[in-house]
Amino acid sequence: AQKVTQAQTEISVVEKEDVTLDCVYETRDTTYYLFWYKQPPSGELVFLIRRNSFDEQNEISGRYSWNFQKSTSSFNFTITASQVVDSAVYFCALSEFGNAGNMLTFGGGTRLMVKP
Amino acid sequence: DAGVIQSPRHEVTEMGQEVTLRCKPISGHNSLFWYRQTMMRGLELLIYFNNNVPIDDSGMPEDRFSAKMPNASFSTLKIQPSEPRDSAVYFCASSLTSKETQYFGPGTRLLVL
Repeated sequence: AQKVTQAQTEISVVEKEDVTLDCVYETRDTTYYLFWYKQPPSGELVFLIRRNSFDEQNEISGRYSWNFQKSTSSFNFTITASQVVDSAVYFCALSEFGNAGNMLTFGGGTRLMVKP
Repeated sequence: DAGVIQSPRHEVTEMGQEVTLRCKPISGHNSLFWYRQTMMRGLELLIYFNNNVPIDDSGMPEDRFSAKMPNASFSTLKIQPSEPRDSAVYFCASSLTSKETQYFGPGTRLLVL
């Protein structure tokens, strides 16, 4: 069975600090997808990134970067120079390719608080 | 382009009442998913449809919950009768195909008194 663990339930930083959100996953499939979603205080779920298991290249998008390491089953998310608007709950999710559909298994989420 | 649309955004009802949540997926998306978010259980998949056909409803809590997708642009999730433990945020998501990225609606916050 697939499982996603986000060990950090809550992180608090001061604006302009860098912060890394950890995500560790378990799966028996060799082909799978990993995702990060952001849930701001307004409540909606915003898609940030999708990675497939064959692509271990790190990704950078502005202040956001993702580090995917199959050897440690981790897909960590780093925010550089954090801003107050980054305050949100961040979810890591996994989908096994073998599923009939793209059924997401979510981690418990990490609440990030960025203080001015 | 319009994203996933859900209505109502908030619903307060009394135990025993019927509740109907509505979802309009992104135009052209063939897969639709219903999730529930609670503090205790986090985000859970309830059911998903592919081309309007229910594929997996193993996450539906019990017979009080039912979901339909009469056409490609509309789905409902019904709870009858509702109970206080059904209080949660219900999200609808859609994706181009069953293997593509899911985009979520704003959610319906349900409170059953």
